[in-house]
Amino acid sequence: NAGVTQTPKFRVLKTGQSMTLLCAQDMNHEYMYWYRQDPGMGLRLIHYSVGEGTTAKGEVPDGYNVSRLKKQNFLLGLESAAPSQTSVYFCASSFGTSGGLNTGELFFGEGSRLTVL
Amino acid sequence: AQSVTQLGSHVSVSEGALVLLRCNYSSSVPPYLFWYVQYPNQGLQLLLKYTSAATLVKGINGFEAEFKKSETSFHLTKPSAHMSDAAEYFCAVSVGDMRFGAGTRLTVKP
Repeated sequence: NAGVTQTPKFRVLKTGQSMTLLCAQDMNHEYMYWYRQDPGMGLRLIHYSVGEGTTAKGEVPDGYNVSRLKKQNFLLGLESAAPSQTSVYFCASSFGTSGGLNTGELFFGEGSRLTVL
Repeated sequence: AQSVTQLGSHVSVSEGALVLLRCNYSSSVPPYLFWYVQYPNQGLQLLLKYTSAATLVKGINGFEAEFKKSETSFHLTKPSAHMSDAAEYFCAVSVGDMRFGAGTRLTVKP
């Protein structure tokens, strides 16, 4: 059972280039999330999705776009990469919420390290 | 909006000593609270979670946390540290989406 798989694991971009990070989960989870992790700042939510075809903004959505065309996949796109987007990106998934609260455990991928020069 | 504050970005203890990692939360409604652990070059794994059933929550690897509403705290403890506990620990609060603290790096000295 693979869980949450992120590709690629490492990428170096030049300023202005575009790229897409792919997240795939095989647990039939409804909810999926993209976080970025920066030293001293913990994890910050970029975008999330509560089901196929839906997306929503998190804490730091600017400069990123997402799509959830299939339930098992959640794509994070950078249209024009900037050095400030150098970070480690984590995808996570969960079963969903109960009464509007996320009571469930988040399952994380191993991360994608992105460097923008 | 909900948030968590972790006191101390780095904690160092000797093997066998008590581990205490501090977390305070802010939420306008009763929250769900979590502790996650991250080992080097890995994603986060759930240690334990509080969902209002009991104020003292036991997790994996001998960790536990106590929810104190009056102090808005959810501190993580372990009676006796082991070398394998060295990692980064994150407190998280959920009222809708999940928000994480900045993390505390635990070092265990032999």
